[in-house]
Amino acid sequence: SAVISQKPSRDICQRGTSLTIQCQVDSQVTMMFWYRQQPGQSLTLIATANQGSEATYESGFVIDKFPISRPNLTFSTLTVSNMSPEDSSIYLCSVDGGQDFDEQYFGPGTRLTVT
Amino acid sequence: EDKVVQSPLSLVVHEGDTVTLNCSYEVTNFRSLLWYKQEKKAPTFLFMLTSSGIEKKSGRLSSILDKKELFSILNITATQTGDSAVYLCAVDATSGTYKYIFGTGTRLKVLA
Repeated sequence: SAVISQKPSRDICQRGTSLTIQCQVDSQVTMMFWYRQQPGQSLTLIATANQGSEATYESGFVIDKFPISRPNLTFSTLTVSNMSPEDSSIYLCSVDGGQDFDEQYFGPGTRLTVT
Repeated sequence: EDKVVQSPLSLVVHEGDTVTLNCSYEVTNFRSLLWYKQEKKAPTFLFMLTSSGIEKKSGRLSSILDKKELFSILNITATQTGDSAVYLCAVDATSGTYKYIFGTGTRLKVLA
C-alpha cells in the first residue's frame, strides 16, 4: 500500500482567499484523485489527476475554482480558489492500488474552514 | 443514475454486540465493491469484493457480496469501542473513465 501525506492538515481561511493543498506519495502512481467531504456527507470526487495531462473534473467542479497540478508521479496539488464558507470541507487525496488492485488509499486529509 | 445506498445511517451498540451494515448499489458497470472505515478524516481500506458469495474475513470483520441482488454486508462481531467509526461502502463503476461512487456511510458508535 502507498503512504500518502497531505499538507496542511487543517487551516482556517477568510472568504475570498485561496488555499493550496499538497499531496505527496511515497511511490510513483499513475492516477491521483482529489475528493471533498462536506460535513455529514460522503466523499465526492472533484477530479482525477494524471501526470502529464490536464486533470479531469467531475460534474459540478471547474478548473477555475479547483486548479490542480500534477508535476510528477509522486506529487499533486489542489487549490481551492476564491473561497466561500460553502467550501468548508475535508479535502482528501487518494491513489489507486496499482495495476492489479482496485482499492484506493487515502491521504490523512485537510480540514478546511472558511470564515 | 449510478448510486450506492447504505443502511442504517447510524447505529449505537454495546461492546460485545454483533452488527451488520448494509450496502446496496445500482450501477451501469460494476467492477468491485469496497468497504472503508473512516475515523477522524481519512478512510482506511477494509475489503474489496468482486465475486458473489465469497466471504472475506479480517479478524472480527467479514464481508460478502451478492451480485444478483446488488448488495453487500459488513459484519462486525464482538464489537469494541475502537470499532466506532463511519463505515463507507464504495463501488468501482469505472468504464473507460474512472468512476468510484461512495455511499453516505453508516455511523457506528460502540458503547463500553
